[in-house]
Amino acid sequence: DQQVKQNSPSLSVQEGRISILNCDYTNSMFDYFLWYKKYPAEGPTFLISISSIKDKNEDGRFTVFLNKSAKHLSLHIVPSQPGDSAVYFCAARPKMNRDDKIIFGKGTRLHILP
Amino acid sequence: DAGVIQSPRHEVTEMGQEVTLRCKPISGHNSLFWYRQTMMRGLELLIYFNNNVPIDDSGMPEDRFSAKMPNASFSTLKIQPSEPRDSAVYFCASSFGLAELVYNEQFFGPGTRLTVL
Repeated sequence: DQQVKQNSPSLSVQEGRISILNCDYTNSMFDYFLWYKKYPAEGPTFLISISSIKDKNEDGRFTVFLNKSAKHLSLHIVPSQPGDSAVYFCAARPKMNRDDKIIFGKGTRLHILP
Repeated sequence: DAGVIQSPRHEVTEMGQEVTLRCKPISGHNSLFWYRQTMMRGLELLIYFNNNVPIDDSGMPEDRFSAKMPNASFSTLKIQPSEPRDSAVYFCASSFGLAELVYNEQFFGPGTRLTVL
């Protein structure tokens, strides 16, 4: 039972264009959402996050949008660069957990094409 | 700081053998997490500790899996006996939990790639 769903296993985007990675969740008790980025042979690293009281958070080329009514969030990368090629994991934290337990999706592999 | 350290980086073993994965969290961190990554299930949380005490082991798949944290700087994940379906990448992560922060970032180690033949 996947509470955090990333339905696209992979995505290819031309360099310079916008990359949009999508994530859906089922648990309305999630109050904090995160994106992690993972390169081959390395552990995931934190990228950007958003609290459920917001609908947008921006950090440089990365913007996360949250639509609570649709239980959907997305990560926008613009412009996309070759170094953005990686696996991106969406994650969420249940509100009752103040101990930082988070639930990850399966990940989406992003390929930036030259 | 060297970050989260995991050993070994790669492990190949035969079905039925005992496997022990090791993790050294970042010094000063008080929470430690063990994850397993597979193509089918993505990143699954197996167990996590806070101040060396296991808090939630609901993700541990079977009794064949066990984890310990004897002190703040060391944790092990043991599989006995191992099976081919245990083949995956196992990650350890640590964080420093401050109640006043909205979220305490988890820092991941490089992972151990386990292959059970």
